[in-house]
Amino acid sequence: GAVVSQHPSRVICKSGTSVKIECRSLDFQATTMFWYRQFPKQSLMLMATSNEGSKATYEQGVEKDKFLINHASLTLSTLTVTSAHPEDSSFYICSASQPRQGNTEAFFGQGTRLTVV
Amino acid sequence: AQSVTQPDIHITVSEGASLELRCNYSYGATPYLFWYVQSPGQGLQLLLKYFSGDTLVQGIKGFEAEFKRSQSSFNLRKPSVHWSDAAEYFCAVGAGSQGAQKLVFGQGTRLTINP
Repeated sequence: GAVVSQHPSRVICKSGTSVKIECRSLDFQATTMFWYRQFPKQSLMLMATSNEGSKATYEQGVEKDKFLINHASLTLSTLTVTSAHPEDSSFYICSASQPRQGNTEAFFGQGTRLTVV
Repeated sequence: AQSVTQPDIHITVSEGASLELRCNYSYGATPYLFWYVQSPGQGLQLLLKYFSGDTLVQGIKGFEAEFKRSQSSFNLRKPSVHWSDAAEYFCAVGAGSQGAQKLVFGQGTRLTINP
């Protein structure tokens, strides 16, 4: 159980275009999902917290108009990188949690490698 | 706010040797502590976690970690490493209102195994 799937696993897009990344909880309902970003050879940094049915909470320094997060259902959150630039190239990874199951850990997706050319 | 420090950016050990990866955290109360492993280009795999109780935690792949409150540490150990253990290892702490779910990661330690 507790499987989180991200799609796509890899994406290449042209500079100036937008790209959408999906994070799905396959066998549980996730009231909260988290989006992290990992630059090459660096650690993971939390970008935003996504709550089903409400606006996402962004970490300091993360542009909410550039990284649009939608959590319209209990099994799906999407991250849209708008007007992507080469500096947005990174590894994006989501995690999903089920708070109603007690204070258990969040489960990670396999990540999405974004390359902006 | 909580923080995590992994003092060793890169460690090289010989296959069959023992391993200890260091992790120190900063948080006023007892945090939720995790070790994850990441192979190149891959996602994260949870090795083990500490929430409460026994301070020596057993994980997958023969790993263990010990929570030491007095030292604010949660070091990862393995008695005998295998070539397949070569990867990046991240220590993470969860705290605050979202407890174990919203994580702060350390900088990571890259483990290289010599044959």
